[in-house]
This record gives sequence, C-alpha cells and structure tokens, in this order.
Amino acid sequence: DPKIIQKPKYLVAVTGSEKILICEQYLGHNAMYWYRQSAKKPLEFMFSYSYQKLMDNQTASSRFQPQSSKKNHLDLQITALKPDDSATYFCASSQTGAKNERLFFGHGTKLSVL
Amino acid sequence: GDSVTQTEGQVALSEEDFLTIHCNYSASGYPALFWYVQYPGEGPQFLFRASRDKEKGSSRGFEATYNKETTSFHLQKASVQESDSAVYYCALGTGANTGKLTFGHGTILRVHP
Repeated sequence: DPKIIQKPKYLVAVTGSEKILICEQYLGHNAMYWYRQSAKKPLEFMFSYSYQKLMDNQTASSRFQPQSSKKNHLDLQITALKPDDSATYFCASSQTGAKNERLFFGHGTKLSVL
Repeated sequence: GDSVTQTEGQVALSEEDFLTIHCNYSASGYPALFWYVQYPGEGPQFLFRASRDKEKGSSRGFEATYNKETTSFHLQKASVQESDSAVYYCALGTGANTGKLTFGHGTILRVHP
C-alpha cells in the first residue's frame, strides 16, 4: 500500500483556473515537501514544511500556496494557472526535516494546463 | 549556486554489463550526496547516500564513492539486470536546515535481455 497518497493522479485544467493538489502521508513523518518535475528539467524543490511550519520556499510565484491542515497533510493550491505550470508535482516526506534526511516520494500528480 | 551534472542522458546496456553513470557536483562545504531511482509511473526512491569524503554508499548492488577532490559521486553496478531499467538521479543536500535536495537531470538506463 502506498504510504504517501497524492490525489488526483492526473489533472487537466484551463488557463486561469485554480486547482488544489492533495497529499497525505502515513509514515508518521513530521516534514513534508513539494517538488516539481517539468519536461526537460530536473526535479525542482518548491517548499518544505516541518511540524506544520514553512521551513523553505523556493517558488518565486505567490500563485503556489502550500496548505497544511493536519500534520500528515500538505496540499498545494495553484491559482491563475498557466500552461508553463504543466508538470508532474511530487509530494515527499521525511522523518523530521533535518538536513540530509532520506526523502520518501509519492507517485505524483500530473498536471496539464490547456 | 549548488548544482549537479549527470553526463549521460541515456545509457543502453545488455544484461550482465557493467554500469557507470557519472555525477559531478558544485557546492560549497561538505554536502551530502544521494542517488535516487525512479520507475515509470512512480516517484523517486532513495537508493543510498554518502556524507563525507571517501565514504561509499551502496544498495541493491549499486555503489558510489564520495570524492571531494574530483567533486564526483559516480554510480556503478557490476552486472545489471533488465529490472534495473529506470531513471537514476544524482542529488545533493542543499538545505541549511531542511531535507531540501538539488537534483541532476537524470539518466535513463535501458537494459536489454
């Protein structure tokens, strides 16, 4: 059984709309992350949360907003969607969020913006 | 800024061949170095990690040695199997106080029976 659940697996959106990507982890971890994988680019770090607090934010645009309603949830709200936002978004977690911890990744949400 | 370079975009081998995927990094200080593997339709999976010069990381027959002098962490396996076909990512730990990683572009490994 997957320990990190991402919903939905595939998502199609129109330009200008808003979507929420869901992530839940059942590993008992205290740190969660979002990474993005665009075509022809390496996996890119977006956010990290530890104990439900934002630790690091490498996303230049305020259109991307993480939301942590529970310790094991870290959703990603994306507003005013653009075609360039098309990518696979991976949620990950680690034990505490300390430097150099092993990350566990979900299977990803593939977002296509038309 | 910190960066990781994987020389090979794709590698095609036959079963039982020797594998080398080259990884070089640029970073200040002593970053931890990682290898992750990604199978189709899945997220990356941790393979192993090394945190100091000359340390060897290994898992499932794969290994790499941290070399600070050459700023390298090359992945090797003596005898690949078809089931090793996947994308392999080299990464370095760049978060000052988080598990943030900087990834290379990845290397697609195809192993033919």
